[in-house]
Amino acid sequence: DAGVTQSPTHLIKTRGQQVTLRCSPKSGHDTVSWYQQALGQGPQFIFQYYEEEERQRGNFPDRFSGHQFPNYSSELNVNALLLGDSALYLCASSSMARYSNQPQHFGDGTRLSIL
Amino acid sequence: AQSVTQLDSNVSVSEGTPVLLRCNYSSSYSPSLFWYVQHPNKGLQLLLKYTSAATLVKGINGFEAEFKKSETSFHLTKPSAHMSDAAEYFCVVSETGTASKLTFGTGTRLQVTL
Repeated sequence: DAGVTQSPTHLIKTRGQQVTLRCSPKSGHDTVSWYQQALGQGPQFIFQYYEEEERQRGNFPDRFSGHQFPNYSSELNVNALLLGDSALYLCASSSMARYSNQPQHFGDGTRLSIL
Repeated sequence: AQSVTQLDSNVSVSEGTPVLLRCNYSSSYSPSLFWYVQHPNKGLQLLLKYTSAATLVKGINGFEAEFKKSETSFHLTKPSAHMSDAAEYFCVVSETGTASKLTFGTGTRLQVTL
C-alpha cells in the first residue's frame, strides 16, 4: 500500500521562474493539503483540495496556486519565485468522509531551492 | 483561531532516561491534537492523536500524551529514550476534524546522548 508520494524530491530554480510540484495521495484518500516548511520552522498550511476545488487557504499570496485531478492527485504551482520561497514543500492526504477519524499522512516532501 | 506553543525548542536527555516534550494549545472549539516526528530530510510521521476519546493517548514507539483541558496542555512523554528517538517533534492542532487544516508548533529538537 503506497503512502503519499511527491515529485521531484529536489528542485533548483532561479528568481522569477515558475515551478510545479506533484503529489499522489495515499490509497483511499480523497483530500490533499500542501504545507511549506522553511528551514528551522514548523510547516505552514498553504491550501487544501477536495473534490477538485480549493476548500481552505492559508496566508499565502496568489502566486501559490493548485489543482486536484479526478484521481485525487494534486499539483502545487508557484509563480514569480522569490528567494523566500526556498523551503521543503510537504503534501498530506486524508479522507473527508464524515465519520473518518484518520489523521493526515505526509509525503517526504520536495526540497525547493531558489538561487 | 487555533495555535500551539511548544515550550522548549531543544531538549537533551541521556539514553534510558524519561522524555518530556511540552505543548500548550489554544482552540475555539473542541480540538483534535497530534504529535508528529520528523527525522532529518524526511517527511512527518504521526506518533499519536487525540480526538475527544480517552485523554491518555498511546502512540507508536512507546510514546504517549495526556490531554488536559483545564491546563490546555498535551505533553508528550516516553519512559525511556533511545538513540533512534533523536529528531524534531511537532505538536499540532486541528479544530474541525482530522482532515482539516493543521496548525503546527515551532518544533522541539530532541537530542539523545549516551
